[in-house]
Amino acid sequence: DAGVTQSPTHLIKTRGQQVTLRCSPKSGHDTVSWYQQALGQGPQFIFQYYEEEERQRGNFPDRFSGHQFPNYSSELNVNALLLGDSALYLCASSFLGQGAYEQYFGPGTRLTVT
Amino acid sequence: EDKVVQSPLSLVVHEGDTVTLNCSYEVTNFRSLLWYKQEKKAPTFLFMLTSSGIEKKSGRLSSILDKKELFSILNITATQTGDSAIYLCAVVRNTNAGKSTFGDGTTLTVKP
Repeated sequence: DAGVTQSPTHLIKTRGQQVTLRCSPKSGHDTVSWYQQALGQGPQFIFQYYEEEERQRGNFPDRFSGHQFPNYSSELNVNALLLGDSALYLCASSFLGQGAYEQYFGPGTRLTVT
Repeated sequence: EDKVVQSPLSLVVHEGDTVTLNCSYEVTNFRSLLWYKQEKKAPTFLFMLTSSGIEKKSGRLSSILDKKELFSILNITATQTGDSAIYLCAVVRNTNAGKSTFGDGTTLTVKP
């Protein structure tokens, strides 16, 4: 049973550029949440997708956007990158039918902005 | 705004010691508290606690929730070097399934 997968594992971008991160949820899961984890901090909720729509959003600017596809996979897009966007980006999947409280995390994408 | 505070921030012990990690929280319309272990990248799920006073156990790890005092503890007995990791605590509201609010974690180092 494949768990949550994310790509790429590492990424280096320059300020002002745009980036797209990808996530495939665990088999049987229909909900994807994205988190940003800065060094030394806990994950911060960015947004959640269910049925191809953004269902909830944390305190992140509009530069952060996303998408969910019919196969439940998801993308996170960040425009106009800032140095402060350097972080580990985690994707978590869950099954809304179980209330989506138990989330399974992917290995993350380490984004470095120079 | 929901808030989760973990203590201590870091802890160094020797193999065989017992450790207790603390998590206090403030959340509107509380549903569950979750514990995760993060070694390299992906946090891995340990426990989900919903009811007060009921201990959850898995091998040498156990956890309990006190909904009156708004805290949880995670105990690890007979620690091993493989227990070295960041332990994260998170809370979820009843109305926000899939959105967890995390603390900043406790970094546990177990020395041989």
